[in-house]
Amino acid sequence: QKEVEQNSGPLSVPEGAIASLNCTYSDRVSQSFFWYRQYSGKSPELIMSIYSNGDKEDGRFTAQLNKASQYVSLLIRDSQPSDSATYLCAVRVGGGSEKLVFGKGTKLTVNP
Amino acid sequence: DVKVTQSSRYLVKRTGEKVFLECVQDMDHENMFWYRQDPGLGLRLIYFSYDVKMKEKGDIPEGYSVSREKKERFSLILESASTNQTSMYLCASSDNRDRVYFGAGTRLSVL
Repeated sequence: QKEVEQNSGPLSVPEGAIASLNCTYSDRVSQSFFWYRQYSGKSPELIMSIYSNGDKEDGRFTAQLNKASQYVSLLIRDSQPSDSATYLCAVRVGGGSEKLVFGKGTKLTVNP
Repeated sequence: DVKVTQSSRYLVKRTGEKVFLECVQDMDHENMFWYRQDPGLGLRLIYFSYDVKMKEKGDIPEGYSVSREKKERFSLILESASTNQTSMYLCASSDNRDRVYFGAGTRLSVL
């Protein structure tokens, strides 16, 4: 099993809708979880980090973590065309490791 | 602002050449990483370094080596370039185990 798995996508939503992106991970001792956004031809940029079970909100973005289910998600409310990008889930694996593993990414398109 | 600078945006090399990809960060970060990104395969970790002269293998180290002689510089070396190493290479750095900053990437073509 791959360490970090995401919906293969692509995901297409209308402007103003909620986009839901999902990620599962295999390493039970992982403590740090991240969502990156990557526009076409650009480098990934961090948009959310989450460390504790539950929800973390930042503007239109909400990250959700469930360590028991080894599941992390990203919700984007009131989706805008400018949110169209590939979203990468990343997990810092292992208890004391610096190793950051990425999922393959989900491509999101928000249609005007 | 943190800056991670990769020496080249585009490189074209011949099979069998020794290739050096250079990366410099300006924020005194402890950790530096090299990833490659391929369509359908996502970002895959090649090597990372958590201190000067310290390195650890990532998921796909075969065919690559790294060097970190100074804290700010992390080099990726392709000892004998092959066509299957044609890819986008991304360097990154981090300090507080939270935000990872990426360089602009080097698109390498091996002919």
